[in-house]
Formats: sequence, C-alpha cells, structure tokens
Amino acid sequence: QKEVEQDPGPLSVPEGAIVSLNCTYSNSAFQYFMWYRQYSRKGPELLMYTYSSGNKEDGRFTAQVDKSSKYISLFIRDSQPSDSATYLCAMHLGQGGSEKLVFGKGTKLTVNP
Amino acid sequence: DTAVSQTPKYLVTQMGNDKSIKCEQNLGHDTMYWYKQDSKKFLKIMFSYNNKELIINETVPNRFSPKSPDKAHLNLHINSLELGDSAVYFCASSQTSYEQYFGPGTRLTVT
Repeated sequence: QKEVEQDPGPLSVPEGAIVSLNCTYSNSAFQYFMWYRQYSRKGPELLMYTYSSGNKEDGRFTAQVDKSSKYISLFIRDSQPSDSATYLCAMHLGQGGSEKLVFGKGTKLTVNP
Repeated sequence: DTAVSQTPKYLVTQMGNDKSIKCEQNLGHDTMYWYKQDSKKFLKIMFSYNNKELIINETVPNRFSPKSPDKAHLNLHINSLELGDSAVYFCASSQTSYEQYFGPGTRLTVT
C-alpha cells in the first residue's frame, strides 16, 4: 500500500460546481496535511495546510482532515475555470531537520465555463 | 521578483552526457530541496539541504550529486544521463518544512 493515495481523475465539472478532492494515507506519523495546486507546466504552489484533524477555510477553499479515518479532503465552492489545475495532497513527515513531504499523485481538475 | 528560480527551463541531451541544473531562492529560507516529477506527475523528494548541509538523500542513484555553495543556492549535477532520468526537476525552499515554495521546474529530456 502506498503511503498516500489520490485518485488521479481526471475530474471535469461545470463552472459553479462544488468540487471535492480526496486523499487517503497509511502512515499515522503524518502531522501536517497540505494541498498544492499545479497549473500546467508550472511548479506546485501551496494552497492550504492543516495541522491535525479539523477544518480550515480560506475563501472558496476548505480543507478537512480526519486523522481517525486517515482521510483528507479539499472542497472548492463556486468553482471557476481558473481553478483548472492538478491538485496535489501532501503529508508532512519527520522532525528535527529531517522533515519531508510525501505527495499524492495529484488529481487533474477541469472547470468548464 | 522571482522567489525560487531554476535554470535552464528546458534541457535536451543525449544518453551518457553530464548536465547541471541550478537553483536560487531569494526568500531567505534555510532549507532547499530537489524533487523529481515523472511523466505521471508523481512528485518525489530527492534531496534536502539545510544551511548548505545535506539532510535527506532519498536513495537516489549516486549519478546525481547535489551541491549547495551557500544557503540561497542548490545545484544538481547528473552524470551519465539515462533515458529514465527524463522528468521535470523542481527545486523548492522552505523555512518551515510544510510550507515549501517551488521553482518553475526544469524539463529534462534524455534521448
């Protein structure tokens, strides 16, 4: 079993739809949970991060972490064509200088006008 | 004002050649990373450096040799390039390891 599983999609939705992106993980040691957005031929950019279980909201984006189920989600409300990108979940592992991020494979999202 | 920059953006070369990729960050971060993203978009860490010191080496072939002349720069030298090295290589930097800032990537094609 891979450490982080993410459905690669592709996912295609109409403009204005609510989008739900999900990842599951197997390593209980993960502490921080991130969502990165990657536009085509660009580097990933950090959207949000969450520490431990719970919800975090930033504008149209909500990140949700359920550590008991080892499941994280990103919700995008009122999706826009500019949200079309690949969304990568990432989990933080380690401490004391040897930290690293473990990424999911990314879900490609297309929002159609 | 680019935060993390990489050169070159594209690199096409033949098998067996040696090539280098350079990375610079102007964010004042202490830690820098090299990642490899394969054709299926899977992003995997290769190395991390903290203040010029190698911290993580993720079982990368020793044909890959990172070098950090100072904490704002992290270069990647690859010897004897192989077809399987074709990928996009991203440099990143961070102050806190969960907030990483990525460069635009270097698309390496080995023919």
